[in-house]
Amino acid sequence: AQKVTQAQTEISVVEKEDVTLDCVYETRDTTYYLFWYKQPPSGELVFLIRRNSFDEQNEISGRYSWNFQKSTSSFNFTITASQVVDSAVYFCALSEAPSGGSNYKLTFGKGTLLTVNP
Amino acid sequence: DAGITQSPRHKVTETGTPVTLRCHQTENHRYMYWYRQDPGHGLRLIHYSYGVKDTDKGEVSDGYSVSRSKTEDFLLTLESATSSQTSVYFCAISPGGGGANVLTFGAGSRLTVL
Repeated sequence: AQKVTQAQTEISVVEKEDVTLDCVYETRDTTYYLFWYKQPPSGELVFLIRRNSFDEQNEISGRYSWNFQKSTSSFNFTITASQVVDSAVYFCALSEAPSGGSNYKLTFGKGTLLTVNP
Repeated sequence: DAGITQSPRHKVTETGTPVTLRCHQTENHRYMYWYRQDPGHGLRLIHYSYGVKDTDKGEVSDGYSVSRSKTEDFLLTLESATSSQTSVYFCAISPGGGGANVLTFGAGSRLTVL
């Protein structure tokens, strides 16, 4: 079973539309961390946000917002009023320490390709 | 990619040849990682290092070896490249191994094995 599932392979929207990228994770640990990274067409990976398992507060940063719900093991990402520059592949990732060790490992979902058309 | 340099950025090689990718950092971070990115698979961890000469396997380590003889350099070696190792390889660094640490990624190295 996948540890991080991003069911949406590709999403296409028109500029100014709101769009939500889904992320569902699986872990048995009580302490873990969730991340979102952005990979624009240029190819680099850009860190967007980190959340720990004890903090379920939603977060907003400009047009970006994140909804973390432990009850559904989801960490969804919403872009409000999308722009062409938001076009990228977005990765959700889970950081956990296998077998309770101290070396956490970051496991990525397969990514969602977002295309924002003008 | 401040602080992380991957080389070469592009390489084409033939099946059966050895290949070494280099990751160099100037951040003095203890942890270094090698990931590969393939369509439909996202990024998968190959190997990581938690200090000089301290390395461990990731989920797709078969066919790869690594070495870290000094803090700033982490080498990924394909002893005998195969076509299935055609991929984009990303190096990442983090100051520690705890889950809260944010990984910073290099620009990637595109490897094509013919």
